[in-house]
Amino acid sequence: QQQVKQSPQSLIVQKGGISIINCAYENTAFDYFPWYQQFPGKGPALLIAIRPDVSEKKEGRFTISFNKSAKQFSLHIMDSQPGDSATYFCAAWLSYGGATNKLIFGTGTLLAVQP
Amino acid sequence: KAGVTQTPRYLIKTRGQQVTLSCSPISGHRSVSWYQQTPGQGLQFLFEYFSETQRNKGNFPGRFSGRQFSNSRSEMNVSTLELGDSALYLCASSLAAGANTGELFFGEGSRLTVL
Repeated sequence: QQQVKQSPQSLIVQKGGISIINCAYENTAFDYFPWYQQFPGKGPALLIAIRPDVSEKKEGRFTISFNKSAKQFSLHIMDSQPGDSATYFCAAWLSYGGATNKLIFGTGTLLAVQP
Repeated sequence: KAGVTQTPRYLIKTRGQQVTLSCSPISGHRSVSWYQQTPGQGLQFLFEYFSETQRNKGNFPGRFSGRQFSNSRSEMNVSTLELGDSALYLCASSLAAGANTGELFFGEGSRLTVL
């Protein structure tokens, strides 16, 4: 099953709050899990990524938590700022052992951080 | 270093016509992938090219095709356009086969409207 399920579809957070976006997958062949951030009129850009042998990765205010047994991972944005307002996509990388590069994206979460 | 360049940025076509979209990857990148982005379906993988060869293909009808040139530039073509083909078409490049970093560098897309 090559799907990545993402929730919520939209999220409103107050400035300074914590934004949490969740994703789940079924295919254990996925071997890399990036998060992309997309602003209106722009293409998605890599935000942070994690490998399945790591349970957590933090970069500044952004943290990925990964639960391999549950096949779930989430993005936490601490101290959310209005500039974080964007659409966030989780993704799973299916490398076929290095033979190709194919990203399966979640459906996206539209985050609005209110000042 | 220039990013991924897509042309045209916007175009309007009518049903039954065909369209060709162009993508110039980041210099040195040999892998080019194409994605279709729509509000309802999110980002859907179309196909990936590496060294002028299609390595992987998504679940799209044969009306969608692509190719890659020796300089890594890529084009995608949609024939016999349907209303449902209206979407943002995103091109992404990455370094090489098996880069497996989860990082695709996206262009800003070509916005296709089919009337």
